[in-house]
Amino acid sequence: DAGVIQSPRHEVTEMGQEVTLRCKPISGHDYLFWYRQTMMRGLELLIYFNNNVPIDDSGMPEDRFSAKMPNASFSTLKIQPSEPRDSAVYFCASSLGRVQPQHFGDGTRLSIL
Amino acid sequence: KQEVTQIPAALSVPEGENLVLNCSFTDSAIYNLQWFRQDPGKGLTSLLLIQSSQREQTSGRLNASLDKSSGRSTLYIAASQPGDSATYLCAATNTGNQFYFGTGTSLTVIP
Repeated sequence: DAGVIQSPRHEVTEMGQEVTLRCKPISGHDYLFWYRQTMMRGLELLIYFNNNVPIDDSGMPEDRFSAKMPNASFSTLKIQPSEPRDSAVYFCASSLGRVQPQHFGDGTRLSIL
Repeated sequence: KQEVTQIPAALSVPEGENLVLNCSFTDSAIYNLQWFRQDPGKGLTSLLLIQSSQREQTSGRLNASLDKSSGRSTLYIAASQPGDSATYLCAATNTGNQFYFGTGTSLTVIP
């Protein structure tokens, strides 16, 4: 089992640029979650999918953020345009069913200059 | 909105000591409560998950309890080891399928 794979591990870009974060969930898992972690706000759920369908995106901070899951093995989180306050660690997690534990990737550390 | 609080924010204990980490939540209508461990620069690792109908879960030296009526969960770590040093987070899942994390307790076990 390869675990949840996120890429890139680190991203540094200038304000105004488009940023795309990628996630490959554990094979067979039907739930996928995107989180953001900062020192000030802790860990926040941004959006989650069930069977590739977005279920709750109420945590997405602004229209600049969008997430897609075109198939069961791939999801993206996009920020366009990026701003310095978007700097954070973004985690992807997956689970087999809602009641089962979530498995996290190692995160993408995003810095917007 | 659910508020999840973890106290203390940081804890330092000598190796071998038993310890308890606390998690409080304001809305008792939870679906489950989960405890995670986070190592520096890493994602979260699930330790224990307690369904709303359960009172506790055990895994090795870890025991997690849940008291919905008082809005509390505790994580008990027996015979602590330096390898237990990490940040521990609890997360409550509401019946509306919303997830709320606490801000974590940073644990240091001193050899």
